[in-house]
Amino acid sequence: GAGVSQSPSNKVTEKGKDVELRCDPISGHTALYWYRQRLGQGLEFLIYFQGNSAPDKSGLPSDRFSAERTGESVSTLTIQRTQQEDSAVYLCASSLRGQDSYEQYFGPGTRLTVT
Amino acid sequence: AQSVTQLGSHVSVSEGALVLLRCNYSSSVPPYLFWYVQYPNQGLQLLLKYTTGATLVKGINGFEAEFKKSETSFHLTKPSAHMSDAAEYFCAVSALGGGSQGNLIFGKGTKLSVKP
Repeated sequence: GAGVSQSPSNKVTEKGKDVELRCDPISGHTALYWYRQRLGQGLEFLIYFQGNSAPDKSGLPSDRFSAERTGESVSTLTIQRTQQEDSAVYLCASSLRGQDSYEQYFGPGTRLTVT
Repeated sequence: AQSVTQLGSHVSVSEGALVLLRCNYSSSVPPYLFWYVQYPNQGLQLLLKYTTGATLVKGINGFEAEFKKSETSFHLTKPSAHMSDAAEYFCAVSALGGGSQGNLIFGKGTKLSVKP
């Protein structure tokens, strides 16, 4: 079956513009995670969705970042008024259940460049 | 709070040589530990994980890792490197451990190069 997909694969935007990144999880996966990978760094957790529960937004770096997920389907990560430090690869992962014993399947990422 | 330290941002080995990638963790609860591999321009793929039980864990592509609680380590090894092993490797610990939420805390990664 299809894996996790993300779009766009690359996005170049000007500082101050808003961007929207999309993630399509594996069908049937109830948990969805967003991570950010800056150059030379590991992945930073941003936000977690589990079914219809309130999302865990504890990793979002500022109020310019927000994310939505409708049910157990597509998720969008929105960055408002982008800054150069937002340049990174944004990775989405899904898992069957939102427990750490379950494998997280990662998408290929969206490379965001803010000029 | 959990944290992960990977010693060595770059490791270079010859084809056929032992691969050893080091990972140390900090966790206030029994950890779940993971190794992921990232090939160029691809997403992360799970190599292996430790949750409970046997401390020596075998994964895909001939990799294995041993959980050593006394050393707070989870080093990744492979007896004989192949050219196809060249990639970046990430060690991760579960944020809360013990079957909880599941977002991962990652190390900064180790880039493995394999020389012919």
